[in-house]
Amino acid sequence: DTAVSQTPKYLVTQMGNDKSIKCEQNLGHDTMYWYKQDSKKFLKIMFSYNNKELIINETVPNRFSPKSPDKAHLNLHINSLELGDSAVYFCASSPILGNYGYTFGSGTRLTVV
Amino acid sequence: AQKVTQAQTEISVVEKEDVTLDCVYETRDTTYYLFWYKQPPSGELVFLIRRNSFDEQNEISGRYSWNFQKSTSSFNFTITASQVVDSAVYFCALSEANYGQNFVFGPGTRLSVLP
Repeated sequence: DTAVSQTPKYLVTQMGNDKSIKCEQNLGHDTMYWYKQDSKKFLKIMFSYNNKELIINETVPNRFSPKSPDKAHLNLHINSLELGDSAVYFCASSPILGNYGYTFGSGTRLTVV
Repeated sequence: AQKVTQAQTEISVVEKEDVTLDCVYETRDTTYYLFWYKQPPSGELVFLIRRNSFDEQNEISGRYSWNFQKSTSSFNFTITASQVVDSAVYFCALSEANYGQNFVFGPGTRLSVLP
């Protein structure tokens, strides 16, 4: 059983499209996150949800909207995709906010053409 | 503000050599947590270790060891007798207990172990 699963693993799409990435965790964790990893491997937090409530909303274009229907799911919807959105997006979860380490999903490589 | 520095961008070693990856951190908190993650070429992020700020004991796990020194704000990672499978990007990360609503990751060190 995959602890944190993301779908799809690869996503190639044209500029201007809207796309979603789904994330589910079966660890019973309270907190979930989205991270973006750029081409230089730099990891930056985008959003954090604790028990379905938005906790962290970093400086991210409002074209990015997270949605957490329950504490086991945190989806990422992106509107009007731009070339600069191309990156690997990682979902992660932790038992509580941050201090116990994260379990990461395998990542979604988004390519905008 | 919290910050993690990994000054070594890339390191190359020959198999069986020992290698140390440096991590220096900054924090305003007295209680914090430090982590190392490995990202192999396949892309997933693998948890290696978590250490809290009150535990300065060094840790050894097989060929891996970690040296935590609060006096120099460092949490260095040593691989003994490196193997080709150790080739990966390694990230050091910091979470503050009182302000730690998120991790801060260092920029990563790319380790290449050559046969």
